[in-house]
Amino acid sequence: IVLTQSPATLSLSPGERATLSCRAGQSVGTHLAWYQQKPGQAPRLLIYDVSNRATGVPARFSGSGSGTDFTLTISSLEPEDFAVYFCQHRSIWPPTFGGGTKVEIK
Amino acid sequence: QVQLQESGPGLVKPWETLSLTCAVSESSISGGYFWGWIRQPPGKGLEWIATFYYGGSTYSNPSLHSRVAISVDASKNQFSLTLASVTASDTAVYYCARTFITMSALNYFDIWGPGSLVTVSS
Repeated sequence: IVLTQSPATLSLSPGERATLSCRAGQSVGTHLAWYQQKPGQAPRLLIYDVSNRATGVPARFSGSGSGTDFTLTISSLEPEDFAVYFCQHRSIWPPTFGGGTKVEIK
Repeated sequence: QVQLQESGPGLVKPWETLSLTCAVSESSISGGYFWGWIRQPPGKGLEWIATFYYGGSTYSNPSLHSRVAISVDASKNQFSLTLASVTASDTAVYYCARTFITMSALNYFDIWGPGSLVTVSS
């Protein structure tokens, strides 16, 4: 299943709201996660099964959607949130990742 | 806390075999989780390589299936990836990781190693 993320780059200022999209080529139900990756670091699981925050993830991160269209929202960007975000499904083999959205400081 | 650490050669010649080991601490690899390998070419996205369960099945990406093998050394609490016949397109940071949901092969990954850059070049 191909996951397409948009936009490729999102230029925002601290305090602004970020809305990231992940679209699946076919339904993945609710089996979708979001990861954050900072330069030189491994990905960090943020959201699993569409809308559940992983342990320690701040409440400003939220996920929504179902089927083929999903959204990660960061309600108010903090300086540490500027990073690349990937979506991943676990609906069928093989699990795949989206191409990523880079959230950069405007 | 649970930690994973990849190790192995940083440079592999074309058509040779890439070998990496993942050492796991504070979590037994026989303890109910699946474990996996994911890679990321420089500046690009993530690609799932394989997932396995100790004493059980191994699942690998069909795009790599015939070249991938996973082995486990339970006495050392570590597992290894071998990728045969590598080419420049296999150049990537290779991550080992633990799955998030217990007893589920098709899964997310919540604990990752820092990654190991492997370059394929003569």
